[in-house]
Amino acid sequence: DQQVKQNSPSLSVQEGRISILNCDYTNSMFDYFLWYKKYPAEGPTFLISISSIKDKNEDGRFTVFLNKSAKHLSLHIVPSQPGDSAVYFCAASGAGGNKLVFGAGTILRVKS
Amino acid sequence: GAGVSQSPSNKVTEKGKDVELRCDPISGHTALYWYRQSLGQGLEFLIYFQGNSAPDKSGLPSDRFSAERTGGSVSTLTIQRTQQEDSAVYLCASSLEPNLWTVAYEQYFGPGTRLTVT
Repeated sequence: DQQVKQNSPSLSVQEGRISILNCDYTNSMFDYFLWYKKYPAEGPTFLISISSIKDKNEDGRFTVFLNKSAKHLSLHIVPSQPGDSAVYFCAASGAGGNKLVFGAGTILRVKS
Repeated sequence: GAGVSQSPSNKVTEKGKDVELRCDPISGHTALYWYRQSLGQGLEFLIYFQGNSAPDKSGLPSDRFSAERTGGSVSTLTIQRTQQEDSAVYLCASSLEPNLWTVAYEQYFGPGTRLTVT
């Protein structure tokens, strides 16, 4: 049973526009959420995170929104750039921040 | 500073052979994790080491998989009698250890070892 779901396998966006990547989770014990970006043949790199006590966290062009009642989070990238093209993974952890539970990833393609 | 390193980067082995994968975490990181990513799938947790505590092995898929961490630093993941379904990218990550004041720290990943079992 997938506890973290990324229902869109891929997303294509025009350069300069907003990219919105979505993630849903089922485990109400999750209290920390992260987004990772992965290029081919490289390990995932940390992008941005949010604690369950917040509903928004912003870092430059990247903003993560958390809706606990809906068990939903989203990553907004604005403006999108061609270099943002990668696989984006949503991940969640329970109290103590040990193992991460990952979604299957969304391939983002930013067209110039 | 140096990031997480893993070796080998690629490993091709015959079914039934044993393999060892190595991970060097970031210096000062007390937590170390192993994950694997099978084709078209997300990352799957395997095992977690936290300082001197007993490791969390809850993600290991079978008793053919084992891991150790020597001296609180380098870790090796061993897969005995490899099967074709073991083919995946094996990723190691490290982080600082969460404490009373911090919910969690982000994990930093190595480039992975691509294992192919023929």
